[in-house]
Amino acid sequence: GESVGLHLPTLSVQEGDNSIINCAYSNSASDYFIWYKQESGKGPQFIIDIRSNMDKRQGQRVTVLLNKTVKHLSLQIAATQPGDSAVYFCAEKGDTDKLIFGTGTRLQVFP
Amino acid sequence: GAVVSQHPSWVICKSGTSVKIECRSLDFQATTMFWYRQFPKQSLMLMATSNEGSKATYEQGVEKDKFLINHASLTLSTLTVTSAHPEDSSFYICSAKTQVTSYEQYFGPGTRLTVT
Repeated sequence: GESVGLHLPTLSVQEGDNSIINCAYSNSASDYFIWYKQESGKGPQFIIDIRSNMDKRQGQRVTVLLNKTVKHLSLQIAATQPGDSAVYFCAEKGDTDKLIFGTGTRLQVFP
Repeated sequence: GAVVSQHPSWVICKSGTSVKIECRSLDFQATTMFWYRQFPKQSLMLMATSNEGSKATYEQGVEKDKFLINHASLTLSTLTVTSAHPEDSSFYICSAKTQVTSYEQYFGPGTRLTVT
């Protein structure tokens, strides 16, 4: 359904700290999950993905954790930098090609 | 690789006119393209799925006669907002899939539409 929130949840972290962004997904049959970063006025940028047969995947400075029992996804960013400031969306894919996006979290990094 | 472009990046039009937005896959052939709409401080909402050479599949609540989608080639899809009204003002984003077996979608930079 439509996202009704007009105020994105915001996570404020100090530069150099680790960030954890959480996402609850809706469809227990979803088999693929992606995290996107969106800067103001731009399209989403792929960060990392994970398939449902995994519970953890690591990239460069990022880690995605998947807990299928509680339908929860998290994105961990190590040593957060000012350039990481953006809105982060999780997305899930079910039995079609369609991606369903979460509501998003704004990450603010302060010096 | 896997670059998607959109044109124009922003457009202002008067109420009642139509606007066409192009989505191009620059270095790959897109079997499927998707169109999303994003209102300020909100998430991306899928409007329609477009396969080359066939009619688009629209999501519930999206008027197919108002949002015309054409996917005439494997590298180009267009979205035409007909008889635009101020409430159609939004950020329109397209994405493309590289092949049938691929999960990943590559997103364009978006088009900001403002209807006055």
